[in-house]
Amino acid sequence: NAGVTQTPKFQVLKTGQSMTLQCAQDMNHNSMYWYRQDPGMGLRLIYYSASEGTTDKGEVPNGYNVSRLNKREFSLRLESAAPSQTSVYFCASSEADKIGGELFFGEGSRLTVL
Amino acid sequence: GENVEQHPSTLSVQEGDSAVIKCTYSDSASNYFPWYKQELGKRPQLIIDIRSNVGEKKDQRIAVTLNKTAKHFSLHITETQPEDSAVYFCAASTPDSWGKLQFGAGTQVVVTP
Repeated sequence: NAGVTQTPKFQVLKTGQSMTLQCAQDMNHNSMYWYRQDPGMGLRLIYYSASEGTTDKGEVPNGYNVSRLNKREFSLRLESAAPSQTSVYFCASSEADKIGGELFFGEGSRLTVL
Repeated sequence: GENVEQHPSTLSVQEGDSAVIKCTYSDSASNYFPWYKQELGKRPQLIIDIRSNVGEKKDQRIAVTLNKTAKHFSLHITETQPEDSAVYFCAASTPDSWGKLQFGAGTQVVVTP
């Protein structure tokens, strides 16, 4: 099993360009998440999907959109990239329901916006 | 919403000594407290977690304690080894959170031989 796979691993964009980060999991998890990691700020939740067909905002959703394509795939889109979106992005999945559980993270995508 | 504060931001210890990282949380309804370890350039991985119905949990050289009254929890690493060098994140979540975690800012632990 590959676990959680995200692409691309590295990307450089110019301000105003758009891109989509792809994420797929093969663990049959219901819940999927997108976090961003910035130095000194830990991991901050951008969007999450508690189950197929549902998405909801996290702590820092502005400038992003998501799509839960099916149970396996959860994509993150930047419509008009800004330098403030330079970060490392992690996709994660979990069996978690109301009581919480382990998050399984992808390897991360390092995005630089010039 | 929930706010998690983590201290210290950096921690340097001699190999064989103990390391302690402390976190406080703001939402008294929080009931799940995991700890993640992230080695340089790698993904975060769960190392231990505790739920609010217990006060302490151990797994070999690592342990977590929870004080619900004071709203803080701590990670204890005993007999530290160079491979313990990493960034450690605490987190908390409330009931009905659907797995959403509020993370602390992280602690860079450096174990020197």
